[in-house]
Amino acid sequence: GENVEQHPSTLSVQEGDSAVIKCTYSDSASNYFPWYKQELGKGPQLIIDIRSNVGEKKDQRIAVTLNKTAKHFSLHITETQPEDSAVYFCAASISLDSNYQLIWGAGTKLIIKP
Amino acid sequence: KAGVTQTPRYLIKTRGQQVTLSCSPISGHRSVSWYQQTPGQGLQFLFEYFSETQRNKGNFPGRFSGRQFSNSRSEMNVSTLELGDSALYLCASSFPGMGETQYFGPGTRLLVL
Repeated sequence: GENVEQHPSTLSVQEGDSAVIKCTYSDSASNYFPWYKQELGKGPQLIIDIRSNVGEKKDQRIAVTLNKTAKHFSLHITETQPEDSAVYFCAASISLDSNYQLIWGAGTKLIIKP
Repeated sequence: KAGVTQTPRYLIKTRGQQVTLSCSPISGHRSVSWYQQTPGQGLQFLFEYFSETQRNKGNFPGRFSGRQFSNSRSEMNVSTLELGDSALYLCASSFPGMGETQYFGPGTRLLVL
């Protein structure tokens, strides 16, 4: 079946450095790729998303890049801060008849070291 | 606009019991999806409801069921609880026409003893 692979499972970076999380998807028809951040004790929150007609999208310190040919997309966080510590999930949409379903990566635990 | 709400937030049950969890989507959202999240695990898709009909279903046993009401509120039920059902149950709602963007509630943490 369709799947999304996410790497690394854990990422530890020094405060102020950049963090990059990568995802690979299998369905070439996928056209929507959201990223979610889940803090301890909370539900996942959408932080940024990208559609297949765009190669890159930025929102302040967060950016997402998409390579449709290679079927992978990445989350970039610059100037990391302690509040960036969380679990991050990527997802890719797949088409099911007339509707869509999100296929989720396994998550990356990001640890920001002070 | 109020976010997705889930009740109860915490629940303790014993093996063999059943449980019903509730989810109220964002106003105007008609799709509700349910996920199971176990410690250190990702999001395991249970099912999705749209306009009171189950539209998609994940690979969970028949003990897991759900329904959606005409006001888009949704409930999920787990019968004959097992220890392995201890998890955070998340629901997410989305708006028709916005495609796949999902908005999550805070979850219900279920502990089965």
